[in-house]
Amino acid sequence: DSGVTQTPKHLITATGQRVTLRCSPRSGDLSVYWYQQSLDQGLQFLIQYYNGEERAKGNILERFSAQQFPDLHSELNLSSLELGDSALYFCASSPTKGLTLEQYFGPGTRLTVT
Amino acid sequence: AQSVTQPDIHITVSEGASLELRCNYSYGATPYLFWYVQSPGQGLQLLLKYFSGDTLVQGIKGFEAEFKRSQSSFNLRKPSVHWSDAAEYFCAVGNSGYALNFGKGTSLLVTP
Repeated sequence: DSGVTQTPKHLITATGQRVTLRCSPRSGDLSVYWYQQSLDQGLQFLIQYYNGEERAKGNILERFSAQQFPDLHSELNLSSLELGDSALYFCASSPTKGLTLEQYFGPGTRLTVT
Repeated sequence: AQSVTQPDIHITVSEGASLELRCNYSYGATPYLFWYVQSPGQGLQLLLKYFSGDTLVQGIKGFEAEFKRSQSSFNLRKPSVHWSDAAEYFCAVGNSGYALNFGKGTSLLVTP
């Protein structure tokens, strides 16, 4: 158990809908990262927040957005869902901004868009 | 741009045999290098990491990796594989910034 929790574990929704994925980082970790894992694209970095502020963006679509709240939990919002958005979404947390300390990954949320 | 290549999509080894998983990276400076393991239905767990110093890095579960700058490689090794090592293995590279750039992964099957 990494100490990072993600809810829900599974999510099935229809095209065009909007969903919210939630992540609670390890106690004390200030950085939250979101990654998408799909069969064709592999594991891709989406976005990073550090202590409530967006710090870095990766291959995140404009239909996707995220935020980190004062209690440091984070939400990833996916809207106007398409079939290709079906994937496993991971959240990871770290004590720092950079890579010198380990990123701890949650178990993921499996999103299925039908 | 930094990138990671894991040439082997699938590898099958017998239990007790040695293992080497290949990873090649492309990056201008000395990268931060990582190996993660993903068991079915689980998140990713860090096996080991390299930032600088000794090029042979020891990790958890008996794994080690060697950084070879001349070959741009960071191969993962284990002298004797156990059935519980069957999983997906990911090599990743990062700079001093923020995010990890993952390879496509290598699926390890362990046969009796």
